[in-house]
Amino acid sequence: DAKTTQPNSMESNEEEPVHLPCNHSTISGTDYIHWYRQLPSQGPEYVIHGLTSNVNNRMASLAIAEDRKSSTLILHRATLRDAAVYYCILRHTNSGGSNYKLTFGKGTLLTVNP
Amino acid sequence: NAGVTQTPKFRVLKTGQSMTLLCAQDMNHEYMYWYRQDPGMGLRLIHYSVGEGTTAKGEVPDGYNVSRLNKREFSLRLESAAPSQTSVYFCASRNTDSLSYEQYFGPGTRLTVT
Repeated sequence: DAKTTQPNSMESNEEEPVHLPCNHSTISGTDYIHWYRQLPSQGPEYVIHGLTSNVNNRMASLAIAEDRKSSTLILHRATLRDAAVYYCILRHTNSGGSNYKLTFGKGTLLTVNP
Repeated sequence: NAGVTQTPKFRVLKTGQSMTLLCAQDMNHEYMYWYRQDPGMGLRLIHYSVGEGTTAKGEVPDGYNVSRLNKREFSLRLESAAPSQTSVYFCASRNTDSLSYEQYFGPGTRLTVT
């Protein structure tokens, strides 16, 4: 299975943009890139996902490299509430059953300074 | 609309005791999942269900049994608890029609086995 690599931790200042990187050099052509985040003492929550094109939603933007070997989650204006662990996950779409599953790594711990 | 609920929120067990964790969702989702999260780690999939009456093994199934009681409820049972099962347990559910593949997570159950 293709794996992702993320920095263990990052820091940001409140109201500044944050760029969270993710490397996935062994991604296959049909793997989707998903981002979840986990606020302290809570379950994970979905942030955004994409396949090839950049994506925007109310929470964040996802920039996917042209070769798809890396992606970046962009929080346009970080708030204290965005302090969380951010997980970059590849979702496989083969027919072997793994389409049902997400594999979480250790993620990136984002600290937001006031 | 409560989303995904889990009971209990906390539990302390002695080695060898048994217990059942219960998950319920009110979103009419087909897929349900049980994960565990150890300190400083990502989530690992224990078992999952793709519909009523079905269950399947995940990444770390040993020592756990599950039952999809009906479409709403998915239980996780520890028959003989061990200290290695000390963890936070998360339940999640997903709609088969969801284009985002978004999994909705419960608040977690913190289990300590002494």
